[in-house]
Amino acid sequence: GAVVSQHPSWVICKSGTSVKIECRSLDFQATTMFWYRQFPKQSLMLMATSNEGSKATYEQGVEKDKFLINHASLTLSTLTVTSAHPEDSSFYICSARTGVWETQYFGPGTRLLVL
Amino acid sequence: GQQLNQSPQSMFIQEGEDVSMNCTSSSIFNTWLWYKQDPGEGPVLLIALYKAGELTSNGRLTAQFGITRKDSFLNISASIPSDVGIYFCAGTREYGNKLVFGAGTILRVKS
Repeated sequence: GAVVSQHPSWVICKSGTSVKIECRSLDFQATTMFWYRQFPKQSLMLMATSNEGSKATYEQGVEKDKFLINHASLTLSTLTVTSAHPEDSSFYICSARTGVWETQYFGPGTRLLVL
Repeated sequence: GQQLNQSPQSMFIQEGEDVSMNCTSSSIFNTWLWYKQDPGEGPVLLIALYKAGELTSNGRLTAQFGITRKDSFLNISASIPSDVGIYFCAGTREYGNKLVFGAGTILRVKS
């Protein structure tokens, strides 16, 4: 149980294009999903918290117009990197939890390379 | 901001040896979790701790929630090559709050 998937697993795009990453909870309903970014040899950095049916809460320093998050259903959240630039290249990981008291389970990550 | 101090930063051990790593904080945490991350993958939950003093095992792994609620340790007994990876501690200061992560411990096992 508690399986989280991400799609795509990796993506290469040209600078200036937008990229959408999906995060799905496969066997449970996720009231809250989280989006993280991870640079090589570093820890996970929380970007935003997404609750189903409401606007995402962004961490300080994360541009909400740059990283659009939608949590339209209890099993799906999407992160869209708009007008991507090379500095947006990173490993993006989502996580999901069933309720306030529950543990977060992580997806396998999406590697984004912007050329 | 909130920080977890995780140590050691890296370990290179012989197969069969036991491993110990820990996390400390200047603040009280209500939950402590230990995750393992393989290269190019997302973190996988190893052990979750919810009560001060709690000692929990998962196979060869044992973790404890410190009695002061400001620290936690993870032990791996009789290490094997597949234990290689990065281990992260994480915690929440309040139930339902976001996770705070340690910097990670890189474990390498020599067979």
